[in-house]
Amino acid sequence: KAGVTQTPRYLIKTRGQQVTLSCSPISGHRSVSWYQQTPGQGLQFLFEYFSETQRNKGNFPGRFSGRQFSNSRSEMNVSTLELGDSALYLCASSLAGQSNEQFFGPGTRLTVL
Amino acid sequence: AQSVTQLGSHVSVSEGALVLLRCNYSSSVPPYLFWYVQYPNQGLQLLLKYTSAATLVKGINGFEAEFKKSETSFHLTKPSAHMSDAAEYFCAAGPININAGGTSYGKLTFGQGTILTVHP
Repeated sequence: KAGVTQTPRYLIKTRGQQVTLSCSPISGHRSVSWYQQTPGQGLQFLFEYFSETQRNKGNFPGRFSGRQFSNSRSEMNVSTLELGDSALYLCASSLAGQSNEQFFGPGTRLTVL
Repeated sequence: AQSVTQLGSHVSVSEGALVLLRCNYSSSVPPYLFWYVQYPNQGLQLLLKYTSAATLVKGINGFEAEFKKSETSFHLTKPSAHMSDAAEYFCAAGPININAGGTSYGKLTFGQGTILTVHP
């Protein structure tokens, strides 16, 4: 079974731009969660989607948004990029998003200049 | 709010020595607990998980962890370190109540991570 895939793996953007990251979950997994990883703040939860609905959201500004499609693939969007948005963005999928373990993709490394 | 604390941001051991990585959680109700490993430029790989079935949990690559409710701990151990174990390790807590609704779905709370160095 293929794992979680994320595209692109690396991105360089400038302040003020917007970016869209993509995540394809493991086949059969309907829950997709997104995390931001930075050296200073560690791993922080962004949001979780299940059956195209956002069920949970972390403490991030409205510039961070996401969506999920009917095939469970998910995208996250960051508008008006700031330098502090530079991070590794990780996507994880699970069967139901609760007690089931989450399987992580390799991440997208975003650098904002 | 749920929190996870990993004692020691860096742990260094010799090859063949015992590995002990410490994790404590704060919750009145034991959450689901996980240990993940991250190698450079990669995502997180699940080592093991505790979901209340057994207090001693065995995982991949010879790792195991013991859940101790009285100490609110879930420390990760490996009897004999290998050079390939060098990586960053994260302890994480999952939702407490599967029916908790919108405040818990899909959210893992992570510790700050422990970088394990293995010396020859």
